[in-house]
Amino acid sequence: QKEVEQNSGPLSVPEGAIASLNCTYSDRGSQSFFWYRQYSGKSPELIMSIYSNGDKEDGRFTAQLNKASQYVSLLIRDSQPSDSATYLCAVKGMEYGNKLVFGAGTILRVKS
Amino acid sequence: NAGVTQTPKFQVLKTGQSMTLQCAQDMNHNSMYWYRQDPGMGLRLIYYSASEGTTDKGEVPNGYNVSRLNKREFSLRLESAAPSQTSVYFCASSDRLSAGQPQHFGDGTRLSIL
Repeated sequence: QKEVEQNSGPLSVPEGAIASLNCTYSDRGSQSFFWYRQYSGKSPELIMSIYSNGDKEDGRFTAQLNKASQYVSLLIRDSQPSDSATYLCAVKGMEYGNKLVFGAGTILRVKS
Repeated sequence: NAGVTQTPKFQVLKTGQSMTLQCAQDMNHNSMYWYRQDPGMGLRLIYYSASEGTTDKGEVPNGYNVSRLNKREFSLRLESAAPSQTSVYFCASSDRLSAGQPQHFGDGTRLSIL
């Protein structure tokens, strides 16, 4: 089992819809969770961080964390074509020596 | 407001050649990292430096060496390049190596080994 797993996609949603991206992780002791957005040919850009169970909202983005079920998700409301990118889930925990472990990423395509 | 700066942006090498990738950050961060990114593999940690004067291996260190030159600079060296090292290399930094600290990435170096 991979330490951090994401569906590779592509996930296709129409413009204006809600995009839901999911990530599961193996280390129950993980403490910090991050979502990065990466446009093709560019570097990863931090868009959300979440540390405790529940939801965290920032503009059109909502991160959801459920430590008991070991998953973290990212919701993008009112999706725009400019949201088309690869979304990387990253997890930090003691098992990883507090180093970030990345999933392989989910490709999101927003169609206008 | 440069953040993390990597040089060069592109490089083509022949098998067996050596080269050093440079990374510098201006955010006064303590921790720095080198990753490689291959299609379908996500980002994999090569080496990291938790603080000035320390370096440690990550997930895929074979064939690489690093130097933390000072607090700002962290270089990655390929002593004898191999085609399997063709990849995109990213340098990143964070305030410190602790659970809550996110990492900030440079623009990457696209390296091809022929």
